[in-house]
Amino acid sequence: GDSVTQMEGPVTLSEEAFLTINCTYTATGYPSLFWYVQYPGEGLQLLLKATKADDKGSNKGFEATYRKETTSFHLEKGSVQVSDSAVYFCALSDPYTSGTYKYIFGTGTRLKVLA
Amino acid sequence: DSGVTQTPKHLITATGQRVTLRCSPRSGDLSVYWYQQSLDQGLQFLIQYYNGEERAKGNILERFSAQQFPDLHSELNLSSLELGDSALYFCASSATSGGARETQYFGPGTRLLVL
Repeated sequence: GDSVTQMEGPVTLSEEAFLTINCTYTATGYPSLFWYVQYPGEGLQLLLKATKADDKGSNKGFEATYRKETTSFHLEKGSVQVSDSAVYFCALSDPYTSGTYKYIFGTGTRLKVLA
Repeated sequence: DSGVTQTPKHLITATGQRVTLRCSPRSGDLSVYWYQQSLDQGLQFLIQYYNGEERAKGNILERFSAQQFPDLHSELNLSSLELGDSALYFCASSATSGGARETQYFGPGTRLLVL
């Protein structure tokens, strides 16, 4: 079945460091891919998305490119800030999934940025 | 602010009891989704309603049920509660029936503690 695998956290970085959070997926068809962020005590917010191969999603300095050949959607940011501390979820939505659910989430990666 | 509202924010109850969680989707959104987030299971899709009808079912227990009303708000009913039901319950909404490219917008969640 479809699945999303994220790198285990927590990831601890100093302010202005480069961030990469790995995400790989398994899907039957051609899924859409999403990154959501959950700040402490809040719900999930859509960070960015890509709906087809080679698309690049970007928002607030974060980027991720839909790589069909490596089935990956890694999240990157050139210079993190303390305010980026949160849990990041990779998710997919597969139009060919025969199962009964639409979104499959990874386990989340906690990012902590130190001043 | 995603525009999705959930009440109550926190709920403390005892085993064997029944509770109702409420969700109001973003204005104009026709689909409502319910998710459970727990430490051991991660973020799990429970059920989706579209324009008042059940659309998709995920890992929802038989003790749990949901409905969507004509004004499109939704309620998630949890009965015969067990300690393991303690979790954060999220509601999300989307514009239409939930195609693969459709973004889901999440509410702030209801934190349920079963004692």
